[in-house]
Amino acid sequence: QKEVEQDPGPLSVPEGAIVSLNCTYSNSAFQYFMWYRQYSRKGPELLMYTYSSGNKEDGRFTAQVDKSSKYISLFIRDSQPSDSATYLCAMSATGGSYIPTFGRGTSLIVHP
Amino acid sequence: EPEVTQTPSHQVTQMGQEVILRCVPISNHLYFYWYRQILGQKVEFLVSFYNNEISEKSEIFDDQFSVERPDGSNFTLKIRSTKLEDSAMYFCASSGGGLQETQYFGPGTRLLVL
Repeated sequence: QKEVEQDPGPLSVPEGAIVSLNCTYSNSAFQYFMWYRQYSRKGPELLMYTYSSGNKEDGRFTAQVDKSSKYISLFIRDSQPSDSATYLCAMSATGGSYIPTFGRGTSLIVHP
Repeated sequence: EPEVTQTPSHQVTQMGQEVILRCVPISNHLYFYWYRQILGQKVEFLVSFYNNEISEKSEIFDDQFSVERPDGSNFTLKIRSTKLEDSAMYFCASSGGGLQETQYFGPGTRLLVL
């Protein structure tokens, strides 16, 4: 079983839609959860960062962590064509290696 | 806003040649990392570096690879005797006060080995 699973998509939505991006994981030691946005041929850009369970909101973006289900989500409200990118989830543990394990990334296309 | 920079943006080399990829991390960061991303695949960790020594490395980071911080600002990845399968995007990242701090990535160097 892969440590971090993420549907590669592509996910195509109309402008203004609410987007839900998800990852599942198997390592219960993961405590730090991150979402990165990566435009084509560019480096990952940190969007959101949460520790342990719960929700975190930043503008149009909301990150949710459900540790009991080993499931994390990123919601994008009022999606814009400029949100079109690949979204990578990443997570790391505590008490040892903090090196993040990445998902494959989900390709999002927001069309006007 | 401070950012990680990388040079060159693209590098083409012949199989068997040595390449050096350069990075300038964010100035007050203490932890430095190299990752690679083969086209269409996951971002993979290579190595982390702190206090002038390697703190962690993956199984990918074998004797073919080395890292160095030759001065107070640059962080380099050397790949000796490149192979076709080394073709990938190589990302440098840096983080601040602790290993649990989030990492900020550079734009990457696209390496093509022919």
